[in-house]
Amino acid sequence: DAGVIQSPRHEVTEMGQEVTLRCKPISGHDYLFWYRQTMMRGLELLIYFNNNVPIDDSGMPEDRFSAKMPNASFSTLKIQPSEPRDSAVYFCASTNSLASANEQFFGPGTRLTVL
Amino acid sequence: AQSVTQPDIHITVSEGASLELRCNYSYGATPYLFWYVQSPGQGLQLLLKYFSGDTLVQGIKGFEAEFKRSQSSFNLRKPSVHWSDAAEYFCAVGAGGTSYGKLTFGQGTILTVHP
Repeated sequence: DAGVIQSPRHEVTEMGQEVTLRCKPISGHDYLFWYRQTMMRGLELLIYFNNNVPIDDSGMPEDRFSAKMPNASFSTLKIQPSEPRDSAVYFCASTNSLASANEQFFGPGTRLTVL
Repeated sequence: AQSVTQPDIHITVSEGASLELRCNYSYGATPYLFWYVQSPGQGLQLLLKYFSGDTLVQGIKGFEAEFKRSQSSFNLRKPSVHWSDAAEYFCAVGAGGTSYGKLTFGQGTILTVHP
């Protein structure tokens, strides 16, 4: 299995621009998670989906952030407009509810820099 | 709601020395517990997990962890540390029920290994 795939791996953009991060979960996994990691706040859960439906988006920092999962093999996290304080590493993870424990498998992350 | 505390932000050990990383959790029922490791610039990799049965669990790379319900702890240990173990380590707790799939992570412990 290819594991969780994220693109791009690195993104540099200017303040005010729209940014779209992409994630392909492991085939057969029915949960998908988006996290943000910064030095100051550590690893934060932004939103997660079950069977393509958002279950908990309480971690989404503000309306500039949105996430979608149009099908079981693809999800996007969009920031519009982006701000310098959005600079972070964004991780996507997936898991399978049929597994013995809800172990999450992480992608390599997207390092976002907003200038 | 569940929570995780990793009391040590940074630990330094000499290569070949033993290691123990502390993790305390708060959760009302029997938790799912995990240790993940993150090398610089990488995603999180699962080291080991506990969800039932034997309270001493073995993981990859020679790591083990012991679940102690009375102390609400899940400490990670390794008898002899290698230089390649230098990384950041995260403890996480997972829930069941309506929060199934969701993990709460500790703030992480950075491990430095001296030659």
